[in-house]
Amino acid sequence: DAKTTQPTSMDCAEGRAANLPCNHSTISGNEYVYWYRQIHSQGPQYIIHGLKNNETNEMASLIITEDRKSSTLILPHATLRDTAVYYCIVFSGGYNKLIFGAGTRLAVHP
Amino acid sequence: GAGVSQSPSNKVTEKGKDVELRCDPISGHTALYWYRQSLGQGLEFLIYFQGNSAPDKSGLPSDRFSAERTGGSVSTLTIQRTQQEDSAVYLCASSRNRDQETQYFGPGTRLLVL
Repeated sequence: DAKTTQPTSMDCAEGRAANLPCNHSTISGNEYVYWYRQIHSQGPQYIIHGLKNNETNEMASLIITEDRKSSTLILPHATLRDTAVYYCIVFSGGYNKLIFGAGTRLAVHP
Repeated sequence: GAGVSQSPSNKVTEKGKDVELRCDPISGHTALYWYRQSLGQGLEFLIYFQGNSAPDKSGLPSDRFSAERTGGSVSTLTIQRTQQEDSAVYLCASSRNRDQETQYFGPGTRLLVL
């Protein structure tokens, strides 16, 4: 079973920041928080991951709370092409399977 | 560089026939994973290969499913005597090594069993 809880759906206006929350209260000390997204009919796309520190790359920022029980993915300037299902995954690393939950369906509107 | 590629993109078959799905991982990636996604469902792990180690087959739903990885690169997922419930998108992912374990996914093969 997935170890994360995410809202079923969210809306965001184009050009605004999209903040997607994720709860992972049972996360272990050696587990990472990974984010993927899946645009309709495509394979999941890796976005970002982190362990304890906040992370930023060209796609997004990841904010992890100090107790690591929750995190937020931030898309700073959402576009229509960011409309997708976003998955927050707790992953212990190494050669292990990813366990996907239901994710958050983000709709970006004009 | 080139990402994970999968073929065919789409496959329509009749119930009872065998199908083969192919995955070409990113060059240099030692680990390869197969997942499937049924309509409206989440991704379900099937099997993974890492180097020359025995594959983890714990996710295969039945003995009609098998997979091999030749030469540590290309992998083939075979479904024998297909059933309608096998209809799904079959996704392949690869990762570089144990310390660089981010999995990168291919576009998937959409299988429809009539």
